[in-house]
Amino acid sequence: KAGVTQTPRYLIKTRGQQVTLSCSPISGHRSVSWYQQTPGQGLQFLFEYFSETQRNKGNFPGRFSGRQFSNSRSEMNVSTLELGDSALYLCASTSTAGGGELFFGEGSRLTVL
Amino acid sequence: AQKVTQAQTEISVVEKEDVTLDCVYETRDTTYYLFWYKQPPSGELVFLIRRNSFDEQNEISGRYSWNFQKSTSSFNFTITASQVVDSAVYFCALSEGSPGGGNKLTFGTGTQLKVEL
Repeated sequence: KAGVTQTPRYLIKTRGQQVTLSCSPISGHRSVSWYQQTPGQGLQFLFEYFSETQRNKGNFPGRFSGRQFSNSRSEMNVSTLELGDSALYLCASTSTAGGGELFFGEGSRLTVL
Repeated sequence: AQKVTQAQTEISVVEKEDVTLDCVYETRDTTYYLFWYKQPPSGELVFLIRRNSFDEQNEISGRYSWNFQKSTSSFNFTITASQVVDSAVYFCALSEGSPGGGNKLTFGTGTQLKVEL
């Protein structure tokens, strides 16, 4: 069974640009979550989608957005990039509606110059 | 508000030593879930265990064991006879069980475990 797949794995952007990251969940999983990992702030929850609806949102500015498609694949977008957005962005999927174990992808490492 | 504390930033042990990683949590929910994840250098978070708040039974899986104590709000993780391959960052996490809580995880800051020969 294929795991969670994230693309791209690495990318470099400059301040002010925007970026879109993609996540393909494990087949059959309807919940997709996104997390940001930085050395200073650790692992922080961005948002969760379940059946194309955003169910939870973390404490991030509106520049961070996401969506989920009917096939459960998800994308997140960051507009007007800032240096502080440099991070490892992790996507996770699960088959349960709540309290389930999350299965993570290898992440997309974003560097903002 | 939920909070997970992993007071140990880094632990170094020699191979074959036993090591315990501490995790203390805070939540107002009566139903919640606790997790441990391992993050090797590749970056992917690997699921190790999930426990719900009503199941305080300790669990053993090979060289891994977990001690869940609601009275002290702790969910500690012990590796017996550690090996070099156990070197990684270990995260404890909490998920609320209330309706609408979804699958949001609150993570601790992680403990870097280094196992040396």
